[in-house]
Amino acid sequence: SQTIHQWPATLVQPVGSPLSLECTVEGTSNPNLYWYRQAAGRGLQLLFYSVGIGQISSEVPQNLSASRPQDRQFILSSKKLLLSDSGFYLCAWSVRRTDQYFGPGTRLLVL
Amino acid sequence: GENVEQHPSTLSVQEGDSAVIKCTYSDSASNYFPWYKQELGKRPQLIIDIRSNVGEKKDQRIAVTLNKTAKHFSLHITETQPEDSAVYFCAAQEGNKLTFGGGTRVLVKP
Repeated sequence: SQTIHQWPATLVQPVGSPLSLECTVEGTSNPNLYWYRQAAGRGLQLLFYSVGIGQISSEVPQNLSASRPQDRQFILSSKKLLLSDSGFYLCAWSVRRTDQYFGPGTRLLVL
Repeated sequence: GENVEQHPSTLSVQEGDSAVIKCTYSDSASNYFPWYKQELGKRPQLIIDIRSNVGEKKDQRIAVTLNKTAKHFSLHITETQPEDSAVYFCAAQEGNKLTFGGGTRVLVKP
């Protein structure tokens, strides 16, 4: 069966510091991968998605970037964090362009 | 692009009563509509979905209906229980991605 991992689970970072969040999927090949952000008490904002290695689509212009160095690995990065980057970051995968399954998430607090 | 509106934003029901959440979408090409349940502090979980070739789908106490002509779909929860308390999100497929509604916070009062 398929499993999705995210780490770290929680992160506290100062403003202006870099960021790297990692997501990996097991048990499937060539998945679509997604990064979402959820502010406290709010909805799901799609940040990036990828349909294959090296293929990244950006949904919202901001100081974040994404990379997909391997088929089942998706990385979210920032060179300099802003206060507004705080939130719950969720990675998701799908194999049929339809049903998406979410990872456990990373809680990021920027101080 | 796709736009999904979800109502109500909050819903309080008595245990045992029914709950209904409604969503509308804008892109007539969308053909897949999932519903997610998110408990406090946890990831969203897919609870049911419906495709455009079906008008209704049921799974125990949960049912979804779809009206493609009117471009709206609904989630129905019958005989609500305290464990149904959560935030529910609807979504519509647009190409390789899903567009989510703003969410409905459901509180089931014992």
